[in-house]
Amino acid sequence: SAVISQKPSRDICQRGTSLTIQCQVDSQVTMMFWYRQQPGQSLTLIATANQGSEATYESGFVIDKFPISRPNLTFSTLTVSNMSPEDSSIYLCSAGRDRLSGYTFGSGTRLTVV
Amino acid sequence: ILNVEQSPQSLHVQEGDSTNFTCSFPSSNFYALHWYRWETAKSPEALFVMTLNGDEKKKGRISATLNTKEGYSYLYIKGSQPEDSATYLCAFNGNTGKLIFGQGTTLQVKP
Repeated sequence: SAVISQKPSRDICQRGTSLTIQCQVDSQVTMMFWYRQQPGQSLTLIATANQGSEATYESGFVIDKFPISRPNLTFSTLTVSNMSPEDSSIYLCSAGRDRLSGYTFGSGTRLTVV
Repeated sequence: ILNVEQSPQSLHVQEGDSTNFTCSFPSSNFYALHWYRWETAKSPEALFVMTLNGDEKKKGRISATLNTKEGYSYLYIKGSQPEDSATYLCAFNGNTGKLIFGQGTTLQVKP
């Protein structure tokens, strides 16, 4: 299965600033996704990162707040824009070659907004 | 809105006990059901991907069953060990390819 390198692993950011999280996959993958885990909750899908086109966002998430890039089949970024304390979460990327294989996750980015 | 539910929310067992958890999911537009194990400070680890009704998979002391007609899956752990302590997540994979996760069952195994 694919191996994902995600960075940064953690960050403490000031309110109103933005943070970009990167995920690098060691092989080409068809699907890449971004998730958020807020304190005490499970994984919530933010968006599907589409190669070469705009990401597909889930209800409650918008491009202006969470712009996503996916320039090729091995790399994606998620930016958390104009941060507020409510954005403090763990953010994870996930990738899969096909739907019959288990999807692989990055190690997560623990974000604290102060 | 797709609803994936897991029960119980948390479970405390003694070492050596066997245990099981439930995942319920929509029975329509089903493609696959994933189980993950998530330990603190690590990334979720894939346990099983199940696609066929009646499917049963096993990995060491952990096994899972699937009923797609009624929309549920069971995960079993035989002879729990402290290293089994983790959150176990199920995820529904429908006709879009994206995974919709349940809230997870957090298992604590006491030595």
